Amino acid sequence: GIQVEQSPPDLILQEGANSTLRCNFSDSVNNLQWFHQNPWGQLINLFYIPSGTKQNGRLSATTVATERYSLLYISSSQTTDSGVYFCAVTSPLSGAGSYQLTFGKGTKLSVIP
Amino acid sequence: DGGITQSPKYLFRKEGQNVTLSCEQNLNHDAMYWYRQDPGQGLRLIYYSQIVNDFQKGDIAEGYSVSREKKESFPLTVTSAQKNPTAFYLCASSRTAFNEKLFFGSGTQLSVL
Repeated sequence: GIQVEQSPPDLILQEGANSTLRCNFSDSVNNLQWFHQNPWGQLINLFYIPSGTKQNGRLSATTVATERYSLLYISSSQTTDSGVYFCAVTSPLSGAGSYQLTFGKGTKLSVIP
Repeated sequence: DGGITQSPKYLFRKEGQNVTLSCEQNLNHDAMYWYRQDPGQGLRLIYYSQIVNDFQKGDIAEGYSVSREKKESFPLTVTSAQKNPTAFYLCASSRTAFNEKLFFGSGTQLSVL
């Protein structure tokens, strides 16, 4: 099946710093999503981004489907950005109209004051 | 507010006992999912349902059962056959299965007494 690799696995930032998280995938995908899991376990959908670039406040994401990667940019990081960031890709399964959703293992971000 | 409600937040299971985790959504989504997350790990799919009265096994269905009698509800039963049930359980939904934006509930932490 499709492989999804996220890097780095762990990241420690000083508050105010910028960062880039990467998601590589091994095959063609229909869609890609980025999630943030806060320290209490809640997963929030940040971006639904099969291709191109999207921005939401201090966060932006770019997916280059032809080169099989996506980047999540966090600017001016805040302590509330701490948590785990997951990417998940949708790829077709054999059989008409069937899909699978595969998660990466996540990047754990710690923002220190 | 539209969203996904999981209950209880914390649950304890005795040996040989079945327990049921509740998941309700008011997003009018057809597809619903259950994921298991172990400490420091990614998400693994237990069961999913694409439509009412239909559900399919995911990657780790053994020891679990589900029902989908109503569009809004997708309860998960952890049976006594699941020998290692301690984990964080997340319910999710999307408009259609796997190929649309995914939304998560706040999770249930299940522990064994």
